[in-house]
Parts: sequence; structure tokens; C-alpha cells
Amino acid sequence: GAVVSQHPSWVICKSGTSVKIECRSLDFQATTMFWYRQFPKQSLMLMATSNEGSKATYEQGVEKDKFLINHASLTLSTLTVTSAHPEDSSFYICSGGGVGEEQFFGPGTRLTVL
Amino acid sequence: GESVGLHLPTLSVQEGDNSIINCAYSNSASDYFIWYKQESGKGPQFIIDIRSNMDKRQGQRVTVLLNKTVKHLSLQIAATQPGDSAVYFCAENLGKTDKLIFGTGTRLQVFP
Repeated sequence: GAVVSQHPSWVICKSGTSVKIECRSLDFQATTMFWYRQFPKQSLMLMATSNEGSKATYEQGVEKDKFLINHASLTLSTLTVTSAHPEDSSFYICSGGGVGEEQFFGPGTRLTVL
Repeated sequence: GESVGLHLPTLSVQEGDNSIINCAYSNSASDYFIWYKQESGKGPQFIIDIRSNMDKRQGQRVTVLLNKTVKHLSLQIAATQPGDSAVYFCAENLGKTDKLIFGTGTRLQVFP
């Protein structure tokens, strides 16, 4: 299957700082990527759809000014958590794939905000 | 809509037995379904998928059954092995978009 990478795999930051997470499709091009958040012992919650060359589409209840998404190229999407707070601590996962086809998931990024 | 749970249901099986994990999906318009396996601290891993024009699909040691009448999906794992221990999620795709809606998940524990 196709490979999606994320960087960093884990990050610890102070409250009030911003953190950028990268999602790359290594062997395929993804016009659309998705960002999920997963709290411990819970399911994946879709946060937003990242569209190459256009604005991201956010799910209801997700603050677009707090979770900035940039889809700079067909192989790179970034999620920036701005002014992070402890409640933003979570496991962030991205995915990419074809239309109506299997989505390939990244390994996730563990964010801990102190 | 999205599924949120305070804890994951757990299925405990003995090594070598068959496992059946169930999932109820939410949208009758969903036309593509996927089962994912997630190990601790990792991203979801594709196991098997099925489209709404089918009611059964088999893979290596795994079978997915789809009952559209009651919006139910199941994953059967034959001869369960310790390496199968993980959390399993079903996901549904509405088809018109690529968005996946995940179920609450089931933790599978395999004991010797």
C-alpha cells in the first residue's frame, strides 16, 4: 500500500505556543488529505479536509483559526495548532488516498501541551 | 455522525479461536466500508474493505460481512493470533466525498 509519513512523531510544547505537524504522501499524490484527532481510548474524529491549492474544509465544532491547515503541494499538508493548551493534547493523524478508495494513514503525532 | 466513546468495548479470545467484531454504521447512503486495525501509538492499518453492492468479502484470514438492511458490518478473523491484538475500527464512506466516519472501535485481546 501507499505510504504516508508524519513529522514529528511526538512533540511536547508549552501552553500558548504553536506547533506544526507535517503529513507527507511518499509514493503517491494526494489532492485531498484528512486530519483526525484521537483522544485516549476513543475513536478517530475527523477535524478537517485539506485541499491542495484551496482552503481546508473544517468539521463542525473545529476552530479553523486554531487549527491552521495548509496543503502546499500534492504530497504535503501541514496542521498548525496555534496557541496550544493542555486540552489540545491528543494524537493527530492524517490520511490521503484516491477518490472513493482506500485511505492511507500516517503513523500519527502525539502532542502533549504542558 | 462521528462516534465518541468513553471506553472501548473489549473482545477477549483464545489463540486459535475465531473472532467476530461487530459494527453498526450510521448512514444508509454510505456505499464503501473499511475495517482498520490500530495498534497502540500507531496510525490505523487497512485490513479489508467492501462496497455496498456486496454482502461478503474475504481476505487472508479475514472476512467482512455487510448487512445493509440493519446497517451492520462485521469482521471475522479466523484462527486468531497474538499479533491480532489491537483496536479494530469500522469506517464508512458516503461516496460523494472521501470523508470517513469511524465507529467507536473494539479492543481485541488474544490470550494463550
